[in-house]
Amino acid sequence: TQLLEQSPQFLSIQEGENLTVYCNSSSVFSSLQWYRQEPGEGPVLLVTVVTGGEVKKLKRLTFQFGDARKDSSLHITAAQPGDTGLYLCAGVNTGNQFYFGTGTSLTVIP
Amino acid sequence: EPEVTQTPSHQVTQMGQEVILRCVPISNHLYFYWYRQILGQKVEFLVSFYNNEISEKSEIFDDQFSVERPDGSNFTLKIRSTKLEDSAMYFCASSEKGGYGYTFGSGTRLTVV
Repeated sequence: TQLLEQSPQFLSIQEGENLTVYCNSSSVFSSLQWYRQEPGEGPVLLVTVVTGGEVKKLKRLTFQFGDARKDSSLHITAAQPGDTGLYLCAGVNTGNQFYFGTGTSLTVIP
Repeated sequence: EPEVTQTPSHQVTQMGQEVILRCVPISNHLYFYWYRQILGQKVEFLVSFYNNEISEKSEIFDDQFSVERPDGSNFTLKIRSTKLEDSAMYFCASSEKGGYGYTFGSGTRLTVV
């Protein structure tokens, strides 16, 4: 059973465009993280959100945790080629189990 | 910035052989993890380790797998008798607090031939 579904799975956009990636689940998570992974490298932690409704900003990236703590979104403003990568949400559920999402592969075309 | 270090970066082994993948977590972290990622697939949880014992493991982590913290700095994953389907990137991660953001190593690419 896949607990964390991300959409879209693949996204290819032009430099300067905005985009949103979604991470959805039917389960409640005590915390949720977003990672970025480049080919051949390990995931790199971008942010952790723990409170329902929480919004965190990291330069051009905005992360939101849903009020019910079952979903999250990542919004990138004015995407740049350096944003290209695999974006993974990951959550710790109330049973203290950790799951990665299905991933969103982003390509930003110069 | 503190890093999680994994060695080797790439290992090729024959089917049936034992392999040991090594990790040096961040020094003040208390929670340690192994994940794997088969090429083109999602990152899968294998095992978590805290206070010198396994705290969680997935169904992938069967009797062929074991983990050890042989000293104060290393954290190892052993696969006793490798199978072709064990070919994957294996990532070690550590965290200061469980469930609050993990630092991943760069991975070991294991190829079983």
